[in-house]
Amino acid sequence: NSKVIQTPRYLVKGQGQKAKMRCIPEKGHPVVFWYQQNKNNEFKFLINFQNQEVLQQIDMTEKRFSAECPSNSPCSLEIQSSEAGDSALYLCASRDRVNTEVFFGKGTRLTVV
Amino acid sequence: GQQVQQSPASLVLQEGENAELQCNFSTSLNSMQWFYQRPGGSLVSLFYNPSGTKQSGRLTSTTVIKERRSSLHISSSQTTDSGTYLCASQGGSAKLIFGEGTKLTVSS
Repeated sequence: NSKVIQTPRYLVKGQGQKAKMRCIPEKGHPVVFWYQQNKNNEFKFLINFQNQEVLQQIDMTEKRFSAECPSNSPCSLEIQSSEAGDSALYLCASRDRVNTEVFFGKGTRLTVV
Repeated sequence: GQQVQQSPASLVLQEGENAELQCNFSTSLNSMQWFYQRPGGSLVSLFYNPSGTKQSGRLTSTTVIKERRSSLHISSSQTTDSGTYLCASQGGSAKLIFGEGTKLTVSS
């Protein structure tokens, strides 16, 4: 059973507003992922961290999204200026060392109106 | 490239029937994990199975790494098994690559 905690479960923002969501990974898991699942149920990788360092991120994440995983604080993903196309389920996941089981949180469902 | 191909895309069963879901993954990917996604979003890990066979209740996962394939078998399906089943494999930079999913509908 996953112990990844995501908040809030639901988020409604107007276009142009900031949208921020948080994730507490499983205790002791150094690798954290963020994924976006769109209305077609397709998964888009956004960014991942090992400890506090970014391992990989896509262009979109670099430009309009900011993410961090500070030590002793929840990880966060923030959209600087929300667009309608950002409406999606945002999933956070964590994992121990290389090639081990990945656990997902329940997600934050963002609606941009 | 890094690809995971999942089949079938959808499956309709009568309660009590068995289901076999398949995933094939490219050579640049390692390990295989199966998830169940409930309507409404939550992704539940069913199996982390890099190789061999694992069983949990009515579910069995078999990964044959040499052949780059993994399967999920559901025996004696129940209506509560309905939902989307996803396979995912880990690639470079610790990224998970997902298959397209199998939407399973079990009717009574």
